[in-house]
Amino acid sequence: AQSVTQLDSQVPVFEEAPVELRCNYSSSVSVYLFWYVQYPNQGLQLLLKYLSGSTLVKGINGFEAEFNKSQTSFHLRKPSVHISDTAEYFCAVRDFSGNTPLVFGKGTRLSVIA
Amino acid sequence: DTGVSQDPRHKITKRGQNVTFRCDPISEHNRLYWYRQTLGQGPEFLTYFQNEAQLEKSRLLSDRFSAERPKGSFSTLEIQRTEQGDSAMYLCASSWGQNEQFFGPGTRLTVL
Repeated sequence: AQSVTQLDSQVPVFEEAPVELRCNYSSSVSVYLFWYVQYPNQGLQLLLKYLSGSTLVKGINGFEAEFNKSQTSFHLRKPSVHISDTAEYFCAVRDFSGNTPLVFGKGTRLSVIA
Repeated sequence: DTGVSQDPRHKITKRGQNVTFRCDPISEHNRLYWYRQTLGQGPEFLTYFQNEAQLEKSRLLSDRFSAERPKGSFSTLEIQRTEQGDSAMYLCASSWGQNEQFFGPGTRLTVL
């Protein structure tokens, strides 16, 4: 079984400042990793995913994440945030077989302050 | 393609009533998933279908919950004898096999 820990429930940051949202996972098997964003009253949108290959993954809206197998982490970063990035961000994991569902963390609320 | 759609978007019901939600996946997707999201939590898996077969059910899915995907296209999730603890956002997602899951906007259920 897999589990995901998002270390910060809320992250306030000023506009144009950099941000890092932390995610650690636990699994006894190899996994795929995902970051989703959820805007108010909307469903989830995929930001980026790590399946294999380069450990630095670039996604939409200027976000990137780095997979660190030794630290079992997949932290999300953006060098300069905008007001429109204010949303809930979820880290998720799934095993290689693809026959298990996504397991999500509890989410991190990113609030960008003007 | 219009993406995954869910109906209704909001449902308010009284405790003890039955409710049914519908999900229409992306047309070529063979997998359909249901998740539940409560306030301050991430989505939690409920069940999923591959075509019309229900392949896995979470222990969260009590016997008051039932899901169907009769023709391998749209799916319904029914909750019988609703309880206040059922208040949540119910999310549907679809995928082609093991590929990326695309999520619908969700149905927000409030049980009074």
